[in-house]
Amino acid sequence: EPEVTQTPSHQVTQMGQEVILRCVPISNHLYFYWYRQILGQKVEFLVSFYNNEISEKSEIFDDQFSVERPDGSNFTLKIRSTKLEDSAMYFCASMTSGAYNSPLHFGNGTRLTVT
Amino acid sequence: GENVEQHPSTLSVQEGDSAVIKCTYSDSASNYFPWYKQELGKRPQLIIDIRSNVGEKKDQRIAVTLNKTAKHFSLHITETQPEDSAVYFCAASGGYNKLIFGAGTRLAVHP
Repeated sequence: EPEVTQTPSHQVTQMGQEVILRCVPISNHLYFYWYRQILGQKVEFLVSFYNNEISEKSEIFDDQFSVERPDGSNFTLKIRSTKLEDSAMYFCASMTSGAYNSPLHFGNGTRLTVT
Repeated sequence: GENVEQHPSTLSVQEGDSAVIKCTYSDSASNYFPWYKQELGKRPQLIIDIRSNVGEKKDQRIAVTLNKTAKHFSLHITETQPEDSAVYFCAASGGYNKLIFGAGTRLAVHP
């Protein structure tokens, strides 16, 4: 069964540094998402991406965050200047089509630790 | 804004008992309600979902009910087993094809 893949599985960075989290969505999917989960808390929506542009973003997704689909397969999340409170598990997800005609598939996540 | 409330936050049952987790949502436009199971350190995995044109759906030991008028939906697990122990998240569709998650329920099934 095809899966959403994320790399790295764990990223440790110092406060103020830039990080790029990488995702390869399932190949025939059209909708892409980033969610984050602070340890022990709920899964929070960050951003949705469709047709090479952001569809919607949450208030968490401020100017320090950006997403990109640089080629036909990768979908990246960049945090320009990390803060301690950015430490969380970041999940990439994808979906075949909108209106939930298909399930949302999550990757295994990248655990980001900012020190 | 869009919000999903989930109760209880923790639930402890004996093996073989039933477990019920309840969620309410705020956005009357929500029309899709999935449930995810998350084991420690792993990704959320879809276990069952329901759309707004259906009131109830069942898959073996798990079932979900939806009351659109009251804006709440529930997950029912019967004949619980130790491997059902995990965190369960409800979610509701909102905005432009995004999911809003509840805070999660930590279910512990004791042998």
